[in-house]
Amino acid sequence: NAGVTQTPKFQVLKTGQSMTLQCAQDMNHEYMSWYRQDPGMGLRLIHYSVGAGITDQGEVPNGYNVSRSTTEDFPLRLLSAAPSQTSVYFCASSYSFDAGANVLTFGAGSRLTVL
Amino acid sequence: KQEVTQIPAALSVPEGENLVLNCSFTDSAIYNLQWFRQDPGKGLTSLLLIQSSQREQTSGRLNASLDKSSGRSTLYIAASQPGDSATYLCAVNTGANSKLTFGKGITLSVRP
Repeated sequence: NAGVTQTPKFQVLKTGQSMTLQCAQDMNHEYMSWYRQDPGMGLRLIHYSVGAGITDQGEVPNGYNVSRSTTEDFPLRLLSAAPSQTSVYFCASSYSFDAGANVLTFGAGSRLTVL
Repeated sequence: KQEVTQIPAALSVPEGENLVLNCSFTDSAIYNLQWFRQDPGKGLTSLLLIQSSQREQTSGRLNASLDKSSGRSTLYIAASQPGDSATYLCAVNTGANSKLTFGKGITLSVRP
């Protein structure tokens, strides 16, 4: 059972380039989300999805785009990378978006550097 | 806006010591609180989840308590071991759709 798989693990971009961070889960989880982790800032929610075809913004959505065409996949797109987007990105999922019941499973993270 | 605080940012203890990690939050209207462990360069692993109606949860040497009215949670680690060295984060869920607010974490070092 793979859990939550993130690719790539490491990426270096130049300012203005675009790229997609991939996230896939094989647990049939309804809920998927993207966080970024920065030193001194903790983890902050970027976007989340409560099911296929449904996405919503989190705390820091600007500069990022998401879609959820299948239950398994939740890619995060950087439209025009900026140095401020240098961070470690985590994808997380849970069986239900019911706030009273969920336990989040995290991927191993994707470390992005924007020059 | 919910704010989650974990103090101190780092802690070093000798092996075998019982220790308490603290977490405080500003909005007591929470659905649940989770404690996570993060090893260097790795993702987060959920340790314990406490529902808003519960007072504590236990898993092995770990015990987490929740006092919603005072906005506090503690993670108790019994008989600490060097393998417990990691960063411990608490996160609260104050709304629908599983939007968590995280503390910045406490980096624990257990000395042999």
